[in-house]
Amino acid sequence: EDKVVQSPLSLVVHEGDTVTLNCSYEVTNFRSLLWYKQEKKAPTFLFMLTSSGIEKKSGRLSSILDKKELFSILNITATQTGDSAVYLCAVLQGGSEKLVFGKGTKLTVNP
Amino acid sequence: NAGVTQTPKFRILKIGQSMTLQCAQDMNHNYMYWYRQDPGMGLKLIYYSVGAGITDKGEVPNGYNVSRSTTEDFPLRLELAAPSQTSVYFCASSYRGAYEQYFGPGTRLTVT
Repeated sequence: EDKVVQSPLSLVVHEGDTVTLNCSYEVTNFRSLLWYKQEKKAPTFLFMLTSSGIEKKSGRLSSILDKKELFSILNITATQTGDSAVYLCAVLQGGSEKLVFGKGTKLTVNP
Repeated sequence: NAGVTQTPKFRILKIGQSMTLQCAQDMNHNYMYWYRQDPGMGLKLIYYSVGAGITDKGEVPNGYNVSRSTTEDFPLRLELAAPSQTSVYFCASSYRGAYEQYFGPGTRLTVT
């Protein structure tokens, strides 16, 4: 069975800390891995990773994929209270329009 | 552009009732999706469509039906509601495929 596992499930940090969120996967016919941020409502897209070892970066957020070890990490540096959210990892399978989601990591950033 | 809109925002159903969750997008996207999200869980795909007249099952289609008669609209029908269908339902659309989805604000459904 295809699965996406995120860790930790929840994390509480102080503003200014750096955090690393993990996503491992076991899916058939892997095509891409996506990260989303979900605040109170709908998920919003952060990154899509298709190739190993190439870091994607957007401001204080960055992510990298390891296709050999089947995992990805999402780093957030100098965290702010506005980073508090659930971060979802999802894997897209080749030849399909189906995304398989992990349960998410709930990040809380305290002032 | 309004983006992806969903109605209603909240609904309480009694067991055995039926209802239709509405989803519309004004971005001329070919691809549309329905997900459900249970508390503390990720999203699970219910149904999706790659264009008007074409729909396909996702991971958890049982108890639901969809239709896609126009590019803009993708309603989700619940027949004989059950407590297990209590969830938040998200509709999404994209132009090129699953990796560029725009999500609607969600419908919170409670079945009692």
